[in-house]
Amino acid sequence: EAGVAQSPRYKIIEKRQSVAFWCNPISGHATLYWYQQILGQGPKLLIQFQNNGVVDDSQLPKDRFSAERLKGVDSTLKIQPAKLEDSAVYLCASSSAQGGGNEQFFGPGTRLTVL
Amino acid sequence: QKEVEQDPGPLSVPEGAIVSLNCTYSNSAFQYFMWYRQYSRKGPELLMYTYSSGNKEDGRFTAQVDKSSKYISLFIRDSQPSDSATYLCAMSEGTGNQFYFGTGTSLTVIP
Repeated sequence: EAGVAQSPRYKIIEKRQSVAFWCNPISGHATLYWYQQILGQGPKLLIQFQNNGVVDDSQLPKDRFSAERLKGVDSTLKIQPAKLEDSAVYLCASSSAQGGGNEQFFGPGTRLTVL
Repeated sequence: QKEVEQDPGPLSVPEGAIVSLNCTYSNSAFQYFMWYRQYSRKGPELLMYTYSSGNKEDGRFTAQVDKSSKYISLFIRDSQPSDSATYLCAMSEGTGNQFYFGTGTSLTVIP
């Protein structure tokens, strides 16, 4: 079974530029999560999707971050404009059970550096 | 006060040692407790998943949950150099609820 795929793996941009990340979850997984992991910290949930609907986006900085999951499969996370403090690893995870379950499987992450 | 507290280490042990990793938490509504292993430049990998209090064993790994003390532990027996990684604890109130992660403990097992 293929795992969670993410691209790109690395991205370097200047502040005020925009960037987009892509995630393909494990086949059949209805729940998809985007996390932000700053160096030396644990992952922090940004947004949770159940199929193509948003379940929780309370910690998503909506003035600059947006995410979508069209057709309930792939998802994209966008930052516009980026700030220095957005430098982090952006992790995508998926889960199979209704409502998310408690076994989340993570992708390798996208490491973003904002200069 | 953070929801989940975890000693960041770093922790360095000789090969074959027993390793104890711990987290404390403040939210008494947490019912699901997970341990993830994260190698450098990789995503977290689920190691253990426990519901409510008690022990769970899987090979060299044992997870313990003490809800009365709001304290969870992961024990690694006969530690190997391949166990060198960052270990993250995570907790949630229920299925479908968000996970709250600790900051991770960096472990190095010296051959």
